[in-house]
Amino acid sequence: QSALTQPRSVSGSPGQSVTISCSGTSRDVGAYNYVSWYQHHPGKAPKLMIYDVNKRPSGVPDRFSGSKSGNTASLTISGLQAEDEAEYSCCSFAGSHKVFGGGTKLTVL
Amino acid sequence: EVQLLESGGGLVQPGESLRLSCAASGFTFNSYAMNWVRQAPGKGLEWVSSISASGRSTYYADSVRGRFTISRDNSKNTLFLQMSSLRADDTAVYYCAKDLDLYYFDYWGQGTLVTVSS
Repeated sequence: QSALTQPRSVSGSPGQSVTISCSGTSRDVGAYNYVSWYQHHPGKAPKLMIYDVNKRPSGVPDRFSGSKSGNTASLTISGLQAEDEAEYSCCSFAGSHKVFGGGTKLTVL
Repeated sequence: EVQLLESGGGLVQPGESLRLSCAASGFTFNSYAMNWVRQAPGKGLEWVSSISASGRSTYYADSVRGRFTISRDNSKNTLFLQMSSLRADDTAVYYCAKDLDLYYFDYWGQGTLVTVSS
Protein backbone atom coordinates (compact mmCIF):
# COMPACT_ATOMS: atom_id res chain seq x y z
CA GLN A 1 0.00 0.00 0.00
CA SER A 2 2.58 2.58 -1.13
CA ALA A 3 1.57 6.21 -1.40
CA LEU A 4 1.10 7.87 -4.77
CA THR A 5 3.81 10.37 -5.75
CA GLN A 6 3.05 14.08 -5.94
CA PRO A 7 5.38 17.10 -6.11
CA ARG A 8 5.83 18.65 -2.69
CA SER A 9 4.95 22.11 -3.94
CA VAL A 10 3.86 24.10 -6.96
CA SER A 11 3.21 27.79 -7.42
CA GLY A 12 1.63 30.20 -9.82
CA SER A 13 0.48 33.79 -10.13
CA PRO A 14 -3.16 34.84 -10.11
CA GLY A 15 -4.76 34.11 -13.46
CA GLN A 16 -2.20 31.52 -14.45
CA SER A 17 -2.67 27.77 -14.70
CA VAL A 18 -0.90 25.07 -12.71
CA THR A 19 -0.90 21.31 -13.04
CA ILE A 20 -0.27 18.88 -10.22
CA SER A 21 0.80 15.36 -11.11
CA CYS A 22 0.01 12.16 -9.24
CA SER A 23 2.08 9.13 -10.15
CA GLY A 24 0.96 5.65 -9.24
CA THR A 25 1.31 2.12 -10.56
CA SER A 26 -0.55 -0.40 -12.66
CA ARG A 27 -2.18 -1.63 -9.43
CA ASP A 28 -3.86 1.67 -8.57
CA VAL A 29 -3.99 4.74 -10.86
CA GLY A 30 -3.31 2.68 -13.96
CA ALA A 31 -5.81 -0.02 -13.08
CA TYR A 32 -8.90 2.00 -12.24
CA ASN A 33 -10.62 5.20 -13.32
CA TYR A 34 -11.38 5.92 -9.67
CA VAL A 35 -9.05 8.84 -9.08
CA SER A 36 -10.08 11.75 -6.91
CA TRP A 37 -8.54 15.02 -5.75
CA TYR A 38 -9.01 16.83 -2.44
CA GLN A 39 -8.37 20.42 -1.44
CA HIS A 40 -7.27 20.92 2.14
CA HIS A 41 -6.92 24.27 3.88
CA PRO A 42 -5.09 24.13 7.23
CA GLY A 43 -7.44 23.47 10.11
CA LYS A 44 -10.42 22.78 7.87
CA ALA A 45 -12.06 19.65 6.53
CA PRO A 46 -10.70 18.39 3.20
CA LYS A 47 -12.98 19.00 0.22
CA LEU A 48 -13.63 16.72 -2.73
CA MET A 49 -12.73 18.58 -5.92
CA ILE A 50 -12.56 15.87 -8.60
CA TYR A 51 -13.78 12.28 -8.79
CA ASP A 52 -13.92 9.62 -11.51
CA VAL A 53 -10.66 11.16 -12.83
CA ASN A 54 -12.37 14.23 -14.32
CA LYS A 55 -15.80 14.87 -12.79
CA ARG A 56 -16.54 17.85 -10.56
CA PRO A 57 -18.99 17.70 -7.66
CA SER A 58 -21.68 20.32 -7.62
CA GLY A 59 -20.27 23.67 -6.55
CA VAL A 60 -16.67 23.10 -7.66
CA PRO A 61 -15.66 25.73 -10.23
CA ASP A 62 -14.91 24.54 -13.75
CA ARG A 63 -11.43 26.05 -13.33
CA PHE A 64 -10.59 22.70 -11.76
CA SER A 65 -10.12 19.79 -14.14
CA GLY A 66 -8.66 16.31 -13.96
CA SER A 67 -7.11 13.87 -16.37
CA LYS A 68 -5.23 10.59 -16.46
CA SER A 69 -2.69 8.97 -18.73
CA GLY A 70 -1.39 5.53 -17.91
CA ASN A 71 -0.26 5.44 -14.29
CA THR A 72 -0.30 9.20 -13.83
CA ALA A 73 -3.24 11.44 -12.99
CA SER A 74 -3.20 15.22 -13.10
CA LEU A 75 -5.15 18.11 -11.61
CA THR A 76 -5.13 21.39 -13.51
CA ILE A 77 -6.28 24.64 -11.97
CA SER A 78 -6.75 27.45 -14.45
CA GLY A 79 -7.31 31.11 -13.70
CA LEU A 80 -5.60 30.81 -10.32
CA GLN A 81 -7.20 32.72 -7.48
CA ALA A 82 -5.84 33.55 -4.04
CA GLU A 83 -8.33 31.22 -2.36
CA ASP A 84 -6.93 28.28 -4.33
CA GLU A 85 -3.85 28.34 -2.11
CA ALA A 86 -4.09 25.04 -0.21
CA GLU A 87 -2.79 21.51 -0.13
CA TYR A 88 -4.06 19.17 -2.83
CA SER A 89 -4.05 15.39 -2.49
CA CYS A 90 -4.82 12.74 -5.05
CA CYS A 91 -6.37 9.42 -4.18
CA SER A 92 -6.88 6.21 -6.11
CA PHE A 93 -8.90 3.08 -5.53
CA ALA A 94 -6.55 0.10 -5.44
CA GLY A 95 -8.75 -2.95 -5.11
CA SER A 96 -9.19 -3.67 -1.43
CA HIS A 97 -8.05 -0.27 -0.30
CA LYS A 98 -7.58 3.39 -1.25
CA VAL A 99 -4.23 5.10 -1.51
CA PHE A 100 -3.42 8.82 -1.27
CA GLY A 101 -0.59 10.88 -2.61
CA GLY A 102 1.73 12.74 -0.27
CA GLY A 103 0.03 16.07 -0.94
CA THR A 104 1.11 19.13 -2.91
CA LYS A 105 1.23 22.61 -1.43
CA LEU A 106 -0.06 25.16 -3.94
CA THR A 107 1.18 28.69 -3.41
CA VAL A 108 -0.51 31.55 -5.23
CA LEU A 109 2.20 34.19 -5.63
CA GLU B 1 -26.44 19.95 5.53
CA VAL B 2 -24.08 17.05 6.06
CA GLN B 3 -22.17 17.30 9.32
CA LEU B 4 -19.54 14.95 10.72
CA LEU B 5 -18.18 15.63 14.18
CA GLU B 6 -15.28 13.59 15.49
CA SER B 7 -14.43 13.22 19.15
CA GLY B 8 -12.31 11.09 21.45
CA GLY B 9 -8.83 12.18 20.50
CA GLY B 10 -6.16 12.94 23.04
CA LEU B 11 -2.73 12.12 24.41
CA VAL B 12 -2.00 8.46 25.17
CA GLN B 13 1.10 6.44 25.89
CA PRO B 14 2.47 3.80 23.53
CA GLY B 15 0.61 0.53 23.89
CA GLU B 16 -2.56 2.13 25.18
CA SER B 17 -6.00 2.21 23.59
CA LEU B 18 -8.35 4.95 22.45
CA ARG B 19 -11.83 5.03 20.93
CA LEU B 20 -12.80 7.68 18.41
CA SER B 21 -16.39 8.58 17.59
CA CYS B 22 -17.97 10.41 14.69
CA ALA B 23 -21.48 11.79 15.02
CA ALA B 24 -23.17 12.14 11.64
CA SER B 25 -26.16 14.23 10.61
CA GLY B 26 -27.77 15.68 7.52
CA PHE B 27 -27.95 12.45 5.52
CA THR B 28 -29.35 8.94 5.77
CA PHE B 29 -26.45 7.45 7.73
CA ASN B 30 -27.44 3.79 7.31
CA SER B 31 -27.35 4.12 3.51
CA TYR B 32 -23.67 4.97 3.18
CA ALA B 33 -20.32 3.37 3.81
CA MET B 34 -18.06 5.39 6.07
CA ASN B 35 -14.32 5.83 6.44
CA TRP B 36 -11.52 6.95 8.70
CA VAL B 37 -8.61 8.85 7.14
CA ARG B 38 -5.63 10.24 9.05
CA GLN B 39 -2.88 12.77 8.51
CA ALA B 40 0.32 12.56 10.51
CA PRO B 41 2.26 15.77 11.19
CA GLY B 42 4.01 16.88 8.01
CA LYS B 43 2.69 13.90 6.07
CA GLY B 44 -0.01 13.28 3.50
CA LEU B 45 -3.45 11.83 4.01
CA GLU B 46 -3.64 8.10 4.71
CA TRP B 47 -6.75 5.96 4.35
CA VAL B 48 -7.17 3.94 7.56
CA SER B 49 -10.39 1.96 7.40
CA SER B 50 -13.81 1.63 5.77
CA ILE B 51 -17.08 0.04 6.80
CA SER B 52 -20.08 -0.82 4.68
CA ALA B 53 -23.48 0.78 5.21
CA SER B 54 -24.77 -2.24 7.10
CA GLY B 55 -21.58 -2.67 9.08
CA ARG B 56 -21.11 -6.23 7.91
CA SER B 57 -18.01 -5.53 5.80
CA THR B 58 -14.88 -3.81 7.04
CA TYR B 59 -11.56 -2.96 5.43
CA TYR B 60 -8.24 -1.85 6.90
CA ALA B 61 -4.91 -0.42 5.83
CA ASP B 62 -2.02 -2.82 6.40
CA SER B 63 -0.56 -0.35 8.91
CA VAL B 64 -3.50 -0.74 11.32
CA ARG B 65 -4.93 -4.18 10.57
CA GLY B 66 -5.14 -6.25 13.74
CA ARG B 67 -4.86 -3.20 16.00
CA PHE B 68 -7.79 -0.98 14.93
CA THR B 69 -11.46 -1.91 14.69
CA ILE B 70 -14.04 0.12 12.81
CA SER B 71 -17.71 -0.15 13.74
CA ARG B 72 -20.95 1.80 13.52
CA ASP B 73 -24.24 2.22 15.34
CA ASN B 74 -26.83 3.03 12.71
CA SER B 75 -29.47 3.61 15.38
CA LYS B 76 -27.34 6.49 16.73
CA ASN B 77 -25.83 7.71 13.44
CA THR B 78 -22.37 7.20 14.87
CA LEU B 79 -19.13 5.78 13.51
CA PHE B 80 -16.38 4.44 15.75
CA LEU B 81 -12.71 3.58 15.56
CA GLN B 82 -11.32 1.46 18.39
CA MET B 83 -7.56 1.82 18.42
CA SER B 84 -5.35 -0.48 20.48
CA SER B 85 -1.61 -1.12 20.82
CA LEU B 86 -1.06 2.47 19.77
CA ARG B 87 2.37 3.46 18.48
CA ALA B 88 4.11 6.77 18.01
CA ASP B 89 3.53 6.58 14.26
CA ASP B 90 -0.23 6.51 14.87
CA THR B 91 0.04 10.15 15.92
CA ALA B 92 -2.18 12.06 13.51
CA VAL B 93 -5.36 14.00 12.97
CA TYR B 94 -8.08 11.44 12.36
CA TYR B 95 -10.90 12.38 10.00
CA CYS B 96 -14.26 10.76 9.60
CA ALA B 97 -15.37 10.78 5.96
CA LYS B 98 -18.61 9.85 4.24
CA ASP B 99 -18.26 7.50 1.32
CA LEU B 100 -19.27 8.28 -2.26
CA ASP B 101 -19.77 5.33 -4.59
CA LEU B 102 -17.33 3.19 -2.55
CA TYR B 103 -14.36 4.97 -4.13
CA TYR B 104 -14.37 8.53 -2.80
CA PHE B 105 -14.89 10.68 0.28
CA ASP B 106 -17.45 13.40 -0.37
CA TYR B 107 -17.82 14.89 3.12
CA TRP B 108 -15.26 15.12 5.89
CA GLY B 109 -15.25 16.14 9.51
CA GLN B 110 -12.84 18.64 11.02
CA GLY B 111 -10.76 15.89 12.57
CA THR B 112 -9.61 14.89 16.03
CA LEU B 113 -5.97 14.82 17.10
CA VAL B 114 -4.46 11.64 18.51
CA THR B 115 -1.01 11.94 20.04
CA VAL B 116 0.87 8.82 21.09
CA SER B 117 3.84 9.72 23.26
CA SER B 118 5.47 8.74 26.51
